[in-house]
Amino acid sequence: AQSVTQLGSHVSVSEGALVLLRCNYSSSVPPYLFWYVQYPNQGLQLLLKYTTGATLVKGINGFEAEFKKSETSFHLTKPSAHMSDAAEYFCAVSDLESGGSNYKLTFGKGTLLTVNP
Amino acid sequence: ETGVTQTPRHLVMGMTNKKSLKCEQHLGHNAMYWYKQSAKKPLELMFVYSLEERVENNSVPSRFSPECPNSSHLFLHLHTLQPEDSALYLCASSQENAGNSPLHFGNGTRLTVT
Repeated sequence: AQSVTQLGSHVSVSEGALVLLRCNYSSSVPPYLFWYVQYPNQGLQLLLKYTTGATLVKGINGFEAEFKKSETSFHLTKPSAHMSDAAEYFCAVSDLESGGSNYKLTFGKGTLLTVNP
Repeated sequence: ETGVTQTPRHLVMGMTNKKSLKCEQHLGHNAMYWYKQSAKKPLELMFVYSLEERVENNSVPSRFSPECPNSSHLFLHLHTLQPEDSALYLCASSQENAGNSPLHFGNGTRLTVT
């Protein structure tokens, strides 16, 4: 079984400030990791993903995330927040089900980001 | 038209009604999914279809009945729902039902059961 924990259901930053959204997971094997963003009245949109290779991955809209195996973390960052970044962000982890051959995708509960002018 | 399209965007139904949600993907993907999104809860996977065959049913009540007539279309048939079934229902597709294939979501159907 795996779990995904997003610390902070609500994060508020000023425009131009650093954005840091935290994601920790529990998994017995190296997983695939994703961040999705959901704007009001829309579905989820992929921001970035980690599958293999370089642990620092860059996504759309200036976001990036770093996979840290030792810390079981995949935190999302952006150097300078923009008003248009206001949305809900979801971390998701995909790994093999215990004893099986199917992958299971687990989402965190989401973090609502507000950007103040 | 591209992406994943869901209709209707909003639906209000009584507990005795029968209605259907529709999803269509124009991405050439082989896997399609239904998710339920409720406030303050993680996304809940309901059903997975891979190559038009149902491969996962996460203990969803029988009042929800999926149908996948081809790899581009997915339906969710609803009957005798309960008020707690009110939620945003999201359809998604992926290249294949594999761990590293990202999901592409539609904009959802906001369902209210009265």
